Amino acid sequence: TQLLEQSPQFLSIQEGENLTVYCNSSSVFSSLQWYRQEPGEGPVLLVTVVTGGEVKKLKRLTFQFGDARKDSSLHITAAQPGDTGLYLCAGRPEGQNFVFGPGTRLSVLP
Amino acid sequence: DTEVTQTPKHLVMGMTNKKSLKCEQHMGHRAMYWYKQKAKKPPELMFVYSYEKLSINESVPSRFSPECPNSSLLNLHLHALQPEDSALYLCASSQEVGGTDTQYFGPGTRLTVL
Repeated sequence: TQLLEQSPQFLSIQEGENLTVYCNSSSVFSSLQWYRQEPGEGPVLLVTVVTGGEVKKLKRLTFQFGDARKDSSLHITAAQPGDTGLYLCAGRPEGQNFVFGPGTRLSVLP
Repeated sequence: DTEVTQTPKHLVMGMTNKKSLKCEQHMGHRAMYWYKQKAKKPPELMFVYSYEKLSINESVPSRFSPECPNSSLLNLHLHALQPEDSALYLCASSQEVGGTDTQYFGPGTRLTVL
């Protein structure tokens, strides 16, 4: 059983479109991280969200942590080809080890 | 500086070889991790070191042997691996284990076992 679910699994969009990816769990997390990974490279940290209801913005990326700290979303405005990659959410459910979601593979076409 | 370095970047080895993967961080982090990632899958936790002591071993076969010589270095010794062990091996570090422990990852070592 996956502790973290992500949706959609795959997303292919045109440059300039907006998109949202979701990370959900039935467990409570003390924090959640979002990473972006390119093929053959390590995950690169985008953000850590800690407080329920928190919203963080990183240029065209907006991250939200659910009020109950069980879910998170990543919204990208005006996507660019450079946003292409695997987006992973990760965190530590209370009392358990750090886990990753299965990832959302995003392709932004020029 | 949030850099974690890993060497080598690529490694090809036979099933009878002995090799080592190396990881280094200079962020003063006291927790370090090894992950294994197969193609099209998320990273899977292998080992966790906290204050230079092994705190978690996720039932990893003994042909993988971790070592933490000091707080900045983490090694993974490999011996008698199988072809199915071919994967991207990732090292990560965090301030401590627990809490909001944001992990920072290295670029990985691509391992191929022939």
